[in-house]
Amino acid sequence: KAGVTQTPRYLIKTRGQQVTLSCSPISGHRSVSWYQQTPGQGLQFLFEYFSETQRNKGNFPGRFSGRQFSNSRSEMNVSTLELGDSALYLCASSWDRGNTEAFFGQGTRLTVV
Amino acid sequence: QKEVEQNSGPLSVPEGAIASLNCTYSDRGSQSFFWYRQYSGKSPELIMSIYSNGDKEDGRFTAQLNKASQYVSLLIRDSQPSDSATYLCAVDQAGTALIFGKGTTLSVSS
Repeated sequence: KAGVTQTPRYLIKTRGQQVTLSCSPISGHRSVSWYQQTPGQGLQFLFEYFSETQRNKGNFPGRFSGRQFSNSRSEMNVSTLELGDSALYLCASSWDRGNTEAFFGQGTRLTVV
Repeated sequence: QKEVEQNSGPLSVPEGAIASLNCTYSDRGSQSFFWYRQYSGKSPELIMSIYSNGDKEDGRFTAQLNKASQYVSLLIRDSQPSDSATYLCAVDQAGTALIFGKGTTLSVSS
């Protein structure tokens, strides 16, 4: 059974640009959550999608957005990149929303220069 | 702001010893609790989940939950150098998000 797949693995972008990251969940999983991980702040929740609807959102500016498609694949977009957006972006999938086990992809390492 | 607190460590134990990792959380409504292991440069890997008060054992790992004290712990028996990693405690918030502690770094010396 394939795990959670995130693409691309690495990205280098310039301040002011925008970026789109992709996440394909484990087959059969319907919930996808996104997290940002930095050395100083640890893992922080960005948002959760279930059945193509955003169900919960963390405390991030509106420059961070996402969506989920009918096949449960999800994308997140960051517009007007800032240096502070440099981080590891992780996607986690679970079979249902709520209190179920979540499995992480390998992450996308974003560097903003 | 819901919080999950962990001692950042490092926690150093000799090979074969028991490593004890602790976590406290602020949201009394939380129902699900998870431990993840993260090796340097890798993504978090789920190692234990616990939903009810008491102990849950899986191989060398035992998770302990005390909802009244808002406390979760992870015991690693017969610690191995390969257990050296950062251990993240995660607690569900409103059933839609996991709130993570900043992790405890464990170092097992041979």
